[in-house]
Amino acid sequence: NAGVTQTPKFRVLKTGQSMTLLCAQDMNHEYMYWYRQDPGMGLRLIHYSVGEGTTAKGEVPDGYNVSRLKKQNFLLGLESAAPSQTSVYFCASSYLLAGRTDTQYFGPGTRLTVL
Amino acid sequence: ILNVEQSPQSLHVQEGDSTNFTCSFPSSNFYALHWYRWETAKSPEALFVMTLNGDEKKKGRISATLNTKEGYSYLYIKGSQPEDSATYLCAFLPHTSDGLTFGKGTHLIIQP
Repeated sequence: NAGVTQTPKFRVLKTGQSMTLLCAQDMNHEYMYWYRQDPGMGLRLIHYSVGEGTTAKGEVPDGYNVSRLKKQNFLLGLESAAPSQTSVYFCASSYLLAGRTDTQYFGPGTRLTVL
Repeated sequence: ILNVEQSPQSLHVQEGDSTNFTCSFPSSNFYALHWYRWETAKSPEALFVMTLNGDEKKKGRISATLNTKEGYSYLYIKGSQPEDSATYLCAFLPHTSDGLTFGKGTHLIIQP
């Protein structure tokens, strides 16, 4: 099993460009998450999904959109990148336990720089 | 925004010593408390998921306790080894949401 994979690993964008980050998991997990990690800020939740076709906002959703068209994939989009979106992005997935999210499994991260 | 605090921010410990650190979280609307270990240049890895007040969990030399009534959890490492050097994160899951709120972590450095 590959677990949770993220594409790409690194990316440099210019302000105003758009891009999509792909997260894929092969563990048949219901829940998927996108976090960003900034120095001194810890992991902050951007958006999450509790199942195929559903998404919800996290703590810092502005400037991002997500889609979960297939259970195994969770896409994070930046429509018009800003320097404030320079960060390391982590995807995670989890299975259900008693109807709630349980242990989260993280991908390797995507380092994004917006110039 | 939920307030999840970890202390201390960083900690230097001599190899062989035992240590502990704290995670504070809201005592209301509690569903679960997660602990993750995050080594440099890697991804966070789960240590424990705790749901019951008074719960104690153990994995090798690492253990954790949970007090949901007062809103804190302790992580203990017994006989620290260099490979224990990492950032330890806690995360709070409330009843009313499926999103975790992470603390900023405790950065642990084990000195040989």
